[in-house]
Amino acid sequence: DVKVTQSSRYLVKRTGEKVFLECVQDMDHENMFWYRQDPGLGLRLIYFSYDVKMKEKGDIPEGYSVSREKKERFSLILESASTNQTSMYLCASSPLEVGYTFGSGTRLTVV
Amino acid sequence: GQQLNQSPQSMFIQEGEDVSMNCTSSSIFNTWLWYKQDPGEGPVLLIALYKAGELTSNGRLTAQFGITRKDSFLNISASIPSDVGIYFCAGRVTGTASKLTFGTGTRLQVTL
Repeated sequence: DVKVTQSSRYLVKRTGEKVFLECVQDMDHENMFWYRQDPGLGLRLIYFSYDVKMKEKGDIPEGYSVSREKKERFSLILESASTNQTSMYLCASSPLEVGYTFGSGTRLTVV
Repeated sequence: GQQLNQSPQSMFIQEGEDVSMNCTSSSIFNTWLWYKQDPGEGPVLLIALYKAGELTSNGRLTAQFGITRKDSFLNISASIPSDVGIYFCAGRVTGTASKLTFGTGTRLQVTL
């Protein structure tokens, strides 16, 4: 089975900190995605990547950046964390044209 | 960005009852997917649909790809307590490769 591993299940950070969320997949998938999940809003796409060093903005990229230096790893960076970025963050990967496999999520609280 | 309209937002049902939920879009999709998220976990794929009119089952779950390509339905028969969770629909628009658009979710609670 494909495994998508997110480095932290829970994080608490202070306003203004730079925050790194790490995601690793073990099945050589081309595509990787970062979503945030908020009650009543479903899953909203932040950034995605179709290949190493390639990235594209999703629907809500403001305040975030990403890095994909190796095929298996896709990092989400909060440049200067704010309280409105308190959320559940979900990483996913997929081969082309198939459904995603998600990680277990990172619940981030910014205080 | 585009989002899918999913209803109902939440459901409280008794064990043994059947459940229906649906998802609608203003755009045509060429793929519909249904995911379930258990509390504290990431969503897991339940069913994938690839053709308009397609009806696919996975155990007690049955999903349909609407004829108009703008909607999809999920039914759960004879619900059990482990059906509790959030169900998401997701669609892929023609020409956007692997990127999925997700619905807002249906939270299902099952009482004994």
